Amino acid sequence: KNQVEQSPQSLIILEGKNCTLQCNYTVSPFSNLRWYKQDTGRGPVSLTIMTFSENTKSNGRYTATLDADTKQSSLHITASQLSDSASYICVVSGRGSTLGRLYFGRGTQLTVWP
Amino acid sequence: DSGVTQTPKHLITATGQRVTLRCSPRSGDLSVYWYQQSLDQGLQFLIQYYNGEERAKGNILERFSAQQFPDLHSELNLSSLELGDSALYFCASSPRDRGNTEAFFGQGTRLTVV
Repeated sequence: KNQVEQSPQSLIILEGKNCTLQCNYTVSPFSNLRWYKQDTGRGPVSLTIMTFSENTKSNGRYTATLDADTKQSSLHITASQLSDSASYICVVSGRGSTLGRLYFGRGTQLTVWP
Repeated sequence: DSGVTQTPKHLITATGQRVTLRCSPRSGDLSVYWYQQSLDQGLQFLIQYYNGEERAKGNILERFSAQQFPDLHSELNLSSLELGDSALYFCASSPRDRGNTEAFFGQGTRLTVV
């Protein structure tokens, strides 16, 4: 069964600190993995997208890593800001028989305190 | 602004009623996805259309149906509404139906069934 699991479910950190969010997936065959940021009540916004041949990709203070062998990804946020408070969702895209469907994790709810 | 427009933003209706949610994809995008997000739940894939044709189906109830029109906008019809149908409904669009294609999300329609 194609699944995406994220941990932790929720995380509270102080402003200025770093944090790392985890994503494990079983989607196969694999096409790409994306990280989205979703503010409460808003639509998800893409942060990064990586194919199986990419190990790391950065977008400002966000750095995503991918290990396609172990089917794990992480999202590292450096020097956190209050505006980083949001849900971070890992999304895996299949290919071939999975018709490019997007498989969503439940998200990690990040809260940044001043 | 993702370029994906969803209307209405909010909808309150009674049980047993029928509603239609509308999505206008980004200019040039041929693929439209519909998702349901219940309170504290992850995004659940409902259905995907590509250039007017149904491409993939998720856990969409028989009471729900969708279509994509020649101008590529899409509508999600929800009938015989139940309290449990209260959720955020998101539409996303992408240029293609598979591969390393980015998906852009609208701001969602918040449906409240009373």
